[in-house]
Amino acid sequence: AQSVAQPEDQVNVAEGNPLTVKCTYSVSGNPYLFWYVQYPNRGLQFLLKYITGDNLVKGSYGFEAEFNKSQTSFHLKKPSALVSDSALYFCAVRASLIGSARQLTFGSGTQLTVLP
Amino acid sequence: DTGVSQDPRHKITKRGQNVTFRCDPISEHNRLYWYRQTLGQGPEFLTYFQNEAQLEKSRLLSDRFSAERPKGSFSTLEIQRTEQGDSAMYLCASSLGTSNQPQHFGDGTRLSIL
Repeated sequence: AQSVAQPEDQVNVAEGNPLTVKCTYSVSGNPYLFWYVQYPNRGLQFLLKYITGDNLVKGSYGFEAEFNKSQTSFHLKKPSALVSDSALYFCAVRASLIGSARQLTFGSGTQLTVLP
Repeated sequence: DTGVSQDPRHKITKRGQNVTFRCDPISEHNRLYWYRQTLGQGPEFLTYFQNEAQLEKSRLLSDRFSAERPKGSFSTLEIQRTEQGDSAMYLCASSLGTSNQPQHFGDGTRLSIL
């Protein structure tokens, strides 16, 4: 079975400071990893993905994430936070093995608040 | 707007009634997914279609739930004899037919059971 842990329910950061939202995963074989953001009463919006290759992945709105296979982590980062980044962030995983389940398994989410 | 469209956005109904939700995926996407999201949780997988074929179903999908995608385009999710525990946001997502492609989500249908 595959699973995702987001250990922090809430992350607060001052505007202009760097931010990190943590994610660890468990999956059989190599993972496909994704980050999504959700604003109130809206669906999930895709930010970035790791499939293979470079461990540092760049995505939308200045976000990036670092894949660490030995620590089974995929932390989301941004060098300088904006107030408009305040939202709910979800990490998701699925296995890359042929024949494995195609659905994503999501973490429970991290509420990011950027303080002006 | 060519994103994933869901209808209705909100549904309030009495316990025991049947409800049906519709999802229109991005036109070139052949994969379609239904998820359920409750407050404070991430989305949980319900079912998945590749074209018109329903290929996977979660154990969360009790026999009161049924989903269809008759022509491989739009999909419907029906809940019969609704219960209080069915109150949630129902999300639809679609993707291209390769496994490493991201899923694109609609804004969901929020179901409230009175």
